[in-house]
Amino acid sequence: GEDVEQSLFLSVREGDSSVINCTYTDSSSTYLYWYKQEPGAGLQLLTYIFSNMDMKQDQRLTVLLNKKDKHLSLRIADTQTGDSAIYFCAEILPELIFGTGTLLAVQP
Amino acid sequence: ETGVTQSPTHLIKTRGQQVTLRCSSQSGHNTVSWYQQALGQGPQFIFQYYREEENGRGNFPPRFSGLQFPNYSSELNVNALELDDSALYLCASSGTQTYGYTFGSGTRLTVV
Repeated sequence: GEDVEQSLFLSVREGDSSVINCTYTDSSSTYLYWYKQEPGAGLQLLTYIFSNMDMKQDQRLTVLLNKKDKHLSLRIADTQTGDSAIYFCAEILPELIFGTGTLLAVQP
Repeated sequence: ETGVTQSPTHLIKTRGQQVTLRCSSQSGHNTVSWYQQALGQGPQFIFQYYREEENGRGNFPPRFSGLQFPNYSSELNVNALELDDSALYLCASSGTQTYGYTFGSGTRLTVV
């Protein structure tokens, strides 16, 4: 079945790098996504990666994809307090299948 | 370019009632999807509409139904509300030239 897994919680200090990990199950997904959700808000698309890519960099965000292990990660460089939120990875089947979300807490 | 807008933002209903939630897609987007997000969970796919026809459905009972209109706006209807239907309902739209879904801010439904 379809199941996307993430660790539940990550705490970092302001200025450090954050790495959020995700494992997915369907190797036929053409795109994989990272969404951010702030309290009481909808989902904001942060970035995506094509399944034929290993890495994508977008300003402070770096996405790494290991297709063999079905592992996706999101690295946020120079993490700021404004980055505190829940981060969801999602695969597309074509509907989006979301992980459980990782709560990122940034300590000043 | 306007984003995805949903109404109402909050709603309280009684068990057994019916509810209609509304969504206006982002300009140029012809596909709309609905998701249910229970507290502390990731969003779960309910169904998707493309050109006014349902073209995908998740594991939700028939009392969850929807419509898409010619202007690509959409409605989610839920009949015979149950307490477990309490959740944030998210609408998302996408177009043929986009690689992701744009989400609205959601409707928070509370069933008492």
